[in-house]
Amino acid sequence: KNQVEQSPQSLIILEGKNCTLQCNYTVSPFSNLRWYKQDTGRGPVSLTIMTFSENTKSNGRYTATLDADTKQSSLHITASQLSDSASYICVVSAGRGTDKLIFGTGTRLQVFP
Amino acid sequence: GAVVSQHPSRVICKSGTSVKIECRSLDFQATTMFWYRQFPKKSLMLMATSNEGSKATYEQGVEKDKFLINHASLTLSTLTVTSAHPEDSSFYICSARLRGGADTQYFGPGTRLTVL
Repeated sequence: KNQVEQSPQSLIILEGKNCTLQCNYTVSPFSNLRWYKQDTGRGPVSLTIMTFSENTKSNGRYTATLDADTKQSSLHITASQLSDSASYICVVSAGRGTDKLIFGTGTRLQVFP
Repeated sequence: GAVVSQHPSRVICKSGTSVKIECRSLDFQATTMFWYRQFPKKSLMLMATSNEGSKATYEQGVEKDKFLINHASLTLSTLTVTSAHPEDSSFYICSARLRGGADTQYFGPGTRLTVL
């Protein structure tokens, strides 16, 4: 069964600190992995996308890594800001040329001053 | 670029009424749009895939007669929740696929439906 699991479920950090969110997946065949940021009451916004051959991808203070062998990905947020408070969703695309997206349940991040 | 809008952003209706939600791709043509629903603290669940000019493909367990989807043009898809009930209250999100190297889906801002 295709699954995407994220940890932790929720995380509280202080402004300026770094944090890392984890994503484990069992999706076959694998096409690509995306990290999305979803603010409360809003639609998801893409942060990064990685294909099988990519190990790391950065977008400003966000850096995603992918280990296709262990089927793990992480999202590292550097120097967190209050606006980083949101849910971060790991999404794996199942199979090239298909529309099937497997969504993780997300990590709820709260950044406090 | 690749902006998707939804209207309305929030709607409250009485039980038994029908509600229409619009999804538009503002700066690109989308041959395929997707409709998701999301319950609080849960992940997005795909309801149906909408292709322009053809019938939508519904996921298992989604009633096609209750959730009517019309993809009339390359920039507009609508979802109509017919005879809404309180259990239909949810956050409905559409996405539109931009064809490219990764076939990325761009998500709309969502519509909060509350059925009284």
